[in-house]
Amino acid sequence: GQNIDQPTEMTATEGAIVQINCTYQTSGFNGLFWYQQHAGEAPTFLSYNVLDGLEEKGRFSSFLSRSKGYSYLLLKELQMKDSASYLCAVFYNQGGKLIFGQGTELSVKP
Amino acid sequence: EADIYQTPRYLVIGTGKKITLECSQTMGHDKMYWYQQDPGMELHLIHYSYGVNSTEKGDLSSESTVSRIRTEHFPLTLESARPSHTSQYLCASSVRGSRGGELFFGEGSRLTVL
Repeated sequence: GQNIDQPTEMTATEGAIVQINCTYQTSGFNGLFWYQQHAGEAPTFLSYNVLDGLEEKGRFSSFLSRSKGYSYLLLKELQMKDSASYLCAVFYNQGGKLIFGQGTELSVKP
Repeated sequence: EADIYQTPRYLVIGTGKKITLECSQTMGHDKMYWYQQDPGMELHLIHYSYGVNSTEKGDLSSESTVSRIRTEHFPLTLESARPSHTSQYLCASSVRGSRGGELFFGEGSRLTVL
C-alpha cells in the first residue's frame, strides 16, 4: 500500500504559524498535493509539489523532499477560518490515482 | 470555479433498494473518481476512470459499480443497498498528466440506508 502519515490533530493560535507534516511511501511517487476540507464540505485544492523545494502561495507554502518521502504545509498568519482538516495526498504512477492521508484536524483558537 | 455536479445531495432509502448516484462535469476532464468518506474519517478511493469505457476499482473494496459511457458522466450504482453503505460519496475529476492530482470535487451525496 501507500502509507501516508500525518498528525491527527493540531491546535494553534490566531496570527501564529503552523507546520503540518506528511510522510509517504516513495515508490511510484509522481506528485504531492495538499487539500483543505471544512467540516461537511468537499476538499478543495491548496498546493502541488512535484520537485524538491518550497512552493509559496500567499499565506500557504508547501515543501517537498522526494528522497525523504516528506512534505509539509506551512500556514502563516493564521485566521479562525483556517480551522479545517488538511489532507496530504500523493499521486502515484501505478494506476495514476490520488491517495489521501487521514487528514490533520487544525483548530485555530483566539 | 469547478463545474462538477452530484445528485442527489441527500438520500435516505431502505435496505435492498437499487440506487444510482449521478456525477457530471462540464470541464472536459478525462479522469473521474469516486471517493467514500465517513464523518471525520479519511477519503477512500472506490472507483476511477481514465476516460470513456475505462473504469478501475480503487483501494477500498466496494459493492458498487460504475460506468463511463460519456466523458462528462460517471454514475455510481448500488444494486442492493445495505446499512453498511451509509456514508458520503464524493465525485471528482481531473486532467491527465502531472497535474492529474489536482482534483475538482462535487459537493457530495450523503447516503443513509435504513
